[in-house]
Amino acid sequence: AQSVTQPDIHITVSEGASLELRCNYSYGATPYLFWYVQSPGQGLQLLLKYFSGDTLVQGIKGFEAEFKRSQSSFNLRKPSVHWSDAAEYFCAVGFKAAGNKLTFGGGTRVLVKP
Amino acid sequence: DAMVIQNPRYQVTQFGKPVTLSCSQTLNHNVMYWYQQKSSQAPKLLFHYYDKDFNNEADTPDNFQSRRPNTSFCFLDIRSPGLGDAAMYLCATSTRTGVSSYEQYFGPGTRLTVT
Repeated sequence: AQSVTQPDIHITVSEGASLELRCNYSYGATPYLFWYVQSPGQGLQLLLKYFSGDTLVQGIKGFEAEFKRSQSSFNLRKPSVHWSDAAEYFCAVGFKAAGNKLTFGGGTRVLVKP
Repeated sequence: DAMVIQNPRYQVTQFGKPVTLSCSQTLNHNVMYWYQQKSSQAPKLLFHYYDKDFNNEADTPDNFQSRRPNTSFCFLDIRSPGLGDAAMYLCATSTRTGVSSYEQYFGPGTRLTVT
């Protein structure tokens, strides 16, 4: 069965430092890949997406992600974190076999130290 | 701006008292989804509509129902809320066909408290 894993439940990073959030999926073909961010008490906001083509995708708020087929990964990165980046981040994957539905990873909570 | 709107943002109901949550969208999307999200967990899909076609997830309790009277509106009805139904409820929309149908647009959510 298809699955999505975010290995890190919590990450603490200093303001101005770089950030990388990991996402791995299990699927036999190339899926459609998304990263969403959720601030406390809010809905999910789409940061970036990958359907095909260039494996390095740029998103909003200075985030980027790289699709690595060989590793079944879609890791999210930001070179310099701001205090406002403190939030929960969800990797989501669309598997063609599952129709339009998304499978979400468990989420990674990012804390930013001053 | 085109968007997904959820009302109310916060809802308090009593144990066993029916409650309805509302979602509307100005994106003119064919597909609407309802998710339940408990604290520190990923959203869990309850059901979705392809236009008027209702699709229930196998593990969604019978206590949860939904209505979609037109393209713009969708309602989540909880017939007899239990304490375990306290959660954030998220509405999302997408187009119906093509790769963009996997891209979901979320509303701000309704936080349900059951007393």
